[in-house]
Amino acid sequence: DGGITQSPKYLFRKEGQNVTLSCEQNLNHDAMYWYRQDPGQGLRLIYYSQIVNDFQKGDIAEGYSVSREKKESFPLTVTSAQKNPTAFYLCASIHGVEAFFGQGTRLTVV
Amino acid sequence: KQEVTQIPAALSVPEGENLVLNCSFTDSAIYNLQWFRQDPGKGLTSLLLIQSSQREQTSGRLNASLDKSSGRSTLYIAASQPGDSATYLCAVVSNDYKLSFGAGTTVTVRA
Repeated sequence: DGGITQSPKYLFRKEGQNVTLSCEQNLNHDAMYWYRQDPGQGLRLIYYSQIVNDFQKGDIAEGYSVSREKKESFPLTVTSAQKNPTAFYLCASIHGVEAFFGQGTRLTVV
Repeated sequence: KQEVTQIPAALSVPEGENLVLNCSFTDSAIYNLQWFRQDPGKGLTSLLLIQSSQREQTSGRLNASLDKSSGRSTLYIAASQPGDSATYLCAVVSNDYKLSFGAGTTVTVRA
């Protein structure tokens, strides 16, 4: 089945720890995106990548880092510098003009 | 910077009534506009995609229009059902390939 796979579905992090969220796609899409969604709010863009080995900051990149070493993978690291990381994280890819989304990772700081 | 606004933020209607959801964007230089549905705690499901050269798209009870010059799109849902209850999100892909979202309209259809 073609699609976008995010893992894990739920993630718990202790304060001060870095954690990495996985996003894999087998759609052969060039562009990939990471968004953060807080309760009752829309999606805010963290980082996006149009091609391998290149990525751009979105609107709320501080405290996050990404890499794009392979076309199919775009992992997001939430660093200890992110002061309020508890949120729902969504990964997307675009082929041509249509966007596709994964099912999300819910990150909670404990 | 592209700003996307959705009005109203929430909508509650009795079953059978038609729904009208509005989306506006500030920069008309877009590749496309896409409407999504999100159920609580879930990812996004694509409903309709309108490319910048198109004026509308239809799928079943859903119809979306696009007026690029005025920066507006409207999603119509005919004969609403309780299963239509969800949050509806509007997104635009700008010419720099940024995908920007509105905050969404939360719809409740009462049986």
